Formats: sequence, structure tokens, C-alpha cells
Amino acid sequence: GQQLNQSPQSMFIQEGEDVSMNCTSSSIFNTWLWYKQDPGEGPVLLIALYKAGELTSNGRLTAQFGITRKDSFLNISASIPSDVGIYFCAGPVIGGSQGNLIFGKGTKLSVKP
Amino acid sequence: DSGVTQTPKHLITATGQRVTLRCSPRSGDLSVYWYQQSLDQGLQFLIQYYNGEERAKGNILERFSAQQFPDLHSELNLSSLELGDSALYFCASSPGGGPGSPLHFGNGTRLTVT
Repeated sequence: GQQLNQSPQSMFIQEGEDVSMNCTSSSIFNTWLWYKQDPGEGPVLLIALYKAGELTSNGRLTAQFGITRKDSFLNISASIPSDVGIYFCAGPVIGGSQGNLIFGKGTKLSVKP
Repeated sequence: DSGVTQTPKHLITATGQRVTLRCSPRSGDLSVYWYQQSLDQGLQFLIQYYNGEERAKGNILERFSAQQFPDLHSELNLSSLELGDSALYFCASSPGGGPGSPLHFGNGTRLTVT
């Protein structure tokens, strides 16, 4: 079945550093979503990508929809302590409704002040 | 605040019991989704309702059921609970169920089965 593989699993970085994480799949996705989850809260949508090759920014966050449609990347520039959390990529199940999402296992980000 | 309200926040119960989790979607959203988050399986889609009707089913056990009421709130019923059902259960909502409908998640109900 469809699976999303996220890497790295965790990152420990210094405040101010840039961060890169990615998500890959053996299946094609028509939509890529990036969510962030803070402790004790639900996932919050950061960026949605709908077209192969698309590059979208949301403040210090930039995400790209891979040309092959089998991968996506999320970059965070000049990290700050509130960037701490778990970042998930997600995409809709082929043949399913748009809300039937498959999630990656997440990248846990820790930021040292 | 996503606008999606889930109650209760925490639930502790024993094996074999039955519990009901409740979700109020964002105002105006017709679709409600239930997800389970566990340490080993991650976030997994359980079921979707759209305007009162079941729209899609994921990895939902037969011991679990859900419904969406005329006022659009939804309930997830978990019965014959097992230790492995301990997890975070999230509800999400969206205006519709089609392309371009981002999901807004509630803060979840943490279920502990002892």
C-alpha cells in the first residue's frame, strides 16, 4: 500500500540554523501536505502543494512538490525555539476522499537556544 | 485554535469497557474525520462523515463505530476496549471532502485503557 517515508526521524539544531527535511514515497501523490504538531495539540496545516514542481512559502517555511510526484521537501530558515515540534508530511490516499490522508511518521525537531 | 472541539481531553478506562468520544467541527464544515495516533502506527485515518453520511472508511476496527448527527457533531464509539486501543484520537473537519479542502484538527482525546 501507499507509504510515506520521512527523514530524518529527528533533528537537533542550534537556533538560527536552517532545517531541511523530506518525504518520499514509492507511489505518486497529487497533493502534498505538511503539518506541524506541538505537544498536547493536534496537527496544524503549514503548507499545501497541489502541482508537481510547485514551490510554496509560508513565512520562514518553504516546501516543494517533487517533479516525480513521489517526494516533497520542507525547509525552515533561521530556526527559532517555537519551531520545536513534530513535522508530518501527508497525502491523500489514491481513490480516497481528500481527507483520507496517509501520514509519514514525522520528523521531530529540537532547537537549542 | 482550530475551531474543532473534542471532549473529553483525557479518558481512562478498563479493558472490555465502551467509551464515546465527541467532536464538534468548525462552524460551517460539513465533513468530519477521525484519526488514531499511536506511537507505533503514527496517524491513521479511521473514518469520514459528510453531512451525516459515511463517506470513507480507513483502518477502523469492527469494535469501533461512528456517526454524525444533524447538527454535524460526531461521536466515535469504541467498545470491548483492549490495551492496544490506548492512543490519541483526533477529529478533524473540512468544508467539503474534495480537492483543496484542508483538514483542521482538534486537540484530541487521549484514551488510556488499563
